[in-house]
Amino acid sequence: GAVVSQHPSRVICKSGTSVKIECRSLDFQATTMFWYRQFPKKSLMLMATSNEGSKATYEQGVEKDKFLINHASLTLSTLTVTSAHPEDSSFYICSATVIGGPGANVLTFGAGSRLTVL
Amino acid sequence: AQSVTQLGSHVSVSEGALVLLRCNYSSSVPPYLFWYVQYPNQGLQLLLKYTTGATLVKGINGFEAEFKKSETSFHLTKPSAHMSDAAEYFCAVHTTSGTYKYIFGTGTRLKVLA
Repeated sequence: GAVVSQHPSRVICKSGTSVKIECRSLDFQATTMFWYRQFPKKSLMLMATSNEGSKATYEQGVEKDKFLINHASLTLSTLTVTSAHPEDSSFYICSATVIGGPGANVLTFGAGSRLTVL
Repeated sequence: AQSVTQLGSHVSVSEGALVLLRCNYSSSVPPYLFWYVQYPNQGLQLLLKYTTGATLVKGINGFEAEFKKSETSFHLTKPSAHMSDAAEYFCAVHTTSGTYKYIFGTGTRLKVLA
């Protein structure tokens, strides 16, 4: 089945530094990837939709300059948290899907990345 | 606009008892409906989905859900709970109308008592 790999699973950084999280589709080409943020005991908040080769579409309230998303290939999307602060500490989860075909409309999730900003 | 409501943020059942997790949705177009499970510090795993066709769908680990259009519901059930079913469960709705966005419910934490 479809597999999405997310790395790193855990990262601790100092306030003011930038952190990059990678999301890879291992056995399929993901035309669209989604980045979610999950607060403790809360649902998933969609941050942005990333389409290969084009700019990401950010949800209202999500700072584009803080959360940089790049989807340079059909198998890789990256989320960079720039100048991270303690309030950015969270669980970030990526997911991928294919538009059209047998795998369409099903989200495959990565295992998540827990970011702790000191 | 689509929305999902999960009734009960916490559900406790005894091992071997019926599991029922409730999900109601709102959608102006025929929806695609999903149930995902999340174990601690992990991503979400697809349990089952409804897109078209048979309204009773079976998923992994013995779970099933029934799409009831008249009730706008997609409740998740399992006849006999197992300790390993303890997790967070999310209902989600998605339509093909434009953006391919998925809307998630707030989640239900299932606790299984020995």
